[in-house]
Amino acid sequence: NAGVMQNPRHLVRRRGQEARLRCSPMKGHSHVYWYRQLPEEGLKFMVYLQKENIIDESGMPKERFSAEFPKEGPSILRIQQVVRGDSAAYFCASSSEDRYNEQFFGPGTRLTVL
Amino acid sequence: KNEVEQSPQNLTAQEGEFITINCSYSVGISALHWLQQHPGGGIVSLFMLSSGKKKHGRLIATINIQEKHSSLHITASHPRDSAVYICAVPENTDKLIFGTGTRLQVFP
Repeated sequence: NAGVMQNPRHLVRRRGQEARLRCSPMKGHSHVYWYRQLPEEGLKFMVYLQKENIIDESGMPKERFSAEFPKEGPSILRIQQVVRGDSAAYFCASSSEDRYNEQFFGPGTRLTVL
Repeated sequence: KNEVEQSPQNLTAQEGEFITINCSYSVGISALHWLQQHPGGGIVSLFMLSSGKKKHGRLIATINIQEKHSSLHITASHPRDSAVYICAVPENTDKLIFGTGTRLQVFP
C-alpha cells in the first residue's frame, strides 16, 4: 500500500514563473491537507480539501496561491508568479473519511525560487 | 485558537541517555500527534494518542488530557535518533497546528 506521494521532490523556478506541486493521497483517502515549512520556521497549515471541495483555506495567502483536488487525479497546489519568499518545503498529508484524525504525510516538495 | 508550545527547543545528549521532550497546548483536543523530521527530509508520524501512553520500540509517548500536556521519551538514545521532533494538535476542521519543534542531537 503506497504512502502519500508528492512530486516533484525538488522544484526550481525563476521569479515570475508558475509552480505546480502534486500530491497523491494514500489509497482510500479522500481528505488532503497542504502545509508549508518556510526556512528555519515551523510547519503551517495552508488548505484542507476533500474531493472537488475546498473545506478550509484559511492558511492560504490571498493572492497567487490556489489548490484543487479533482474527482480524478492528484491534488494540485499552484503558485503563480513565484517570488523568493515562496521558497519552502511544501508537505501534503491525507486521511480517510472515518479516521480523519490520523494524517499521513508525504515526503514534501522543496521549492526554490531563484 | 490553540497554542502549542514545546520544550526544550534544542537538546543534545550522549548516546544511551534517556530523553524527554515536552509539549503543552491551550485548548482541549481529541488527539495529539508526535512527528519526526530528519534534516532535509520528510515527516514521519510517530504517534497519535488521545489518552494514556503508547510505546513503539524505544519511543514512548504519554498524554495528560486534564493538564493539556504530552511528553515524548526516547530510551537508550542513539545518534540515528538525531532529528527534529514536532508535536501537533488538530483544530476546527482537523487541520494540524504544530509546535516549533525540538532539535535533538545525540552524540556517540
